[in-house]
Amino acid sequence: DQQVKQNSPSLSVQEGRISILNCDYTNSMFDYFLWYKKYPAEGPTFLISISSIKDKNEDGRFTVFLNKSAKHLSLHIVPSQPGDSAVYFCAARLYGNKLVFGAGTILRVKS
Amino acid sequence: DVKVTQSSRYLVKRTGEKVFLECVQDMDHENMFWYRQDPGLGLRLIYFSYDVKMKEKGDIPEGYSVSREKKERFSLILESASTNQTSMYLCASRLTSGGSRAGELFFGEGSRLTVL
Repeated sequence: DQQVKQNSPSLSVQEGRISILNCDYTNSMFDYFLWYKKYPAEGPTFLISISSIKDKNEDGRFTVFLNKSAKHLSLHIVPSQPGDSAVYFCAARLYGNKLVFGAGTILRVKS
Repeated sequence: DVKVTQSSRYLVKRTGEKVFLECVQDMDHENMFWYRQDPGLGLRLIYFSYDVKMKEKGDIPEGYSVSREKKERFSLILESASTNQTSMYLCASRLTSGGSRAGELFFGEGSRLTVL
């Protein structure tokens, strides 16, 4: 039972354009949502998070939007850069402790 | 900067062998985690530890055990490796479970295990 789903295995975007990565969840008890980025041969690194009581959080080129009624969140990267090419994992925190991860989306930014 | 070090980047073992994966963090973090990453399945939690000598099962603990004798070190043990345990194993640490940054895990570079 996957509680966090990333339905797009991959996404290809032109440099300078917007990248939108999507994530759906099923459990209403999640209190925080996070995005991690992973380069090949490296561990994931934290990118940005959002509390379940907010609908938007912005950090530089990265913005996360949360739609609680739809149980959907998205990560926007504007403008996209070739160095953003990586695997992006959506994660949700349960009961203040455990993180549940999605399957990941491979982002390729073409120059 | 937090550093999480996994002892082996690549291992090849035979079915039935006992396998130890070691993880050390240098920031006095209380919580440590072991995940495995498989294509199409993302990161799945195997075991985690809140503190020394404390451990809790994650979502897929079968076939694994862990040891946390010192705060900085968290070991994953495969008592009898099987081919379906071929995977990328990721160790992570976290300062504490509370607060807005409680979800922020610091990961090691991963250990790719192949069981033949």
